[in-house]
Amino acid sequence: KAGVTQTPRYLIKTRGQQVTLSCSPISGHRSVSWYQQTPGQGLQFLFEYFSETQRNKGNFPGRFSGRQFSNSRSEMNVSTLELGDSALYLCASSLPTSGREGEQFFGPGTRLTVL
Amino acid sequence: QKEVEQDPGPLSVPEGAIVSLNCTYSNSAFQYFMWYRQYSRKGPELLMYTYSSGNKEDGRFTAQVDKSSKYISLFIRDSQPSDSATYLCAMLNNAGGTSYGKLTFGQGTILTVHP
Repeated sequence: KAGVTQTPRYLIKTRGQQVTLSCSPISGHRSVSWYQQTPGQGLQFLFEYFSETQRNKGNFPGRFSGRQFSNSRSEMNVSTLELGDSALYLCASSLPTSGREGEQFFGPGTRLTVL
Repeated sequence: QKEVEQDPGPLSVPEGAIVSLNCTYSNSAFQYFMWYRQYSRKGPELLMYTYSSGNKEDGRFTAQVDKSSKYISLFIRDSQPSDSATYLCAMLNNAGGTSYGKLTFGQGTILTVHP
């Protein structure tokens, strides 16, 4: 079974631009969570989507948004980029069936650099 | 105070040693406890998944959860140079609402196993 894929793997943008990142979950997985990873803050939760609905959102400004499509693929968007948005953005998919809710599988991430 | 505390190390051990990695947490609502391994410039890889208290063994890896002490551990037996990576503990509160899909991570422990 193919794993979680993320595109693109690397991005370089300038301040003020916007960016869209894509995530394809493992086949059959319906939940997609997004995380931001930085050396200083570690892994921080951005939001979670299940069946095209955002069920949960972390403490990030409104410039961070996302969506999920009917095939469970997900995108996240960051508008008006700031230098501090430079990070590794990870998505993780899960089924989630009863008893396995915490079992999330991560993609390789998209490394975003904001200049 | 962070919800999940993990000693960042770094931890350096000789090949063949037993490695002990630990996390403490403050949120008694956490029910699912995971350990991830992350190699440099890669996404986290799920190693161990435990629900509630107890032990779980998988090959050279043993995960322990003590909910009464709010303490979890990962033991690696016969450590190998290929085990050199960052190890992240993660937890999930499955109460729904603001918990959906949200893993809370420790800062990660950098482990080096030298030949």
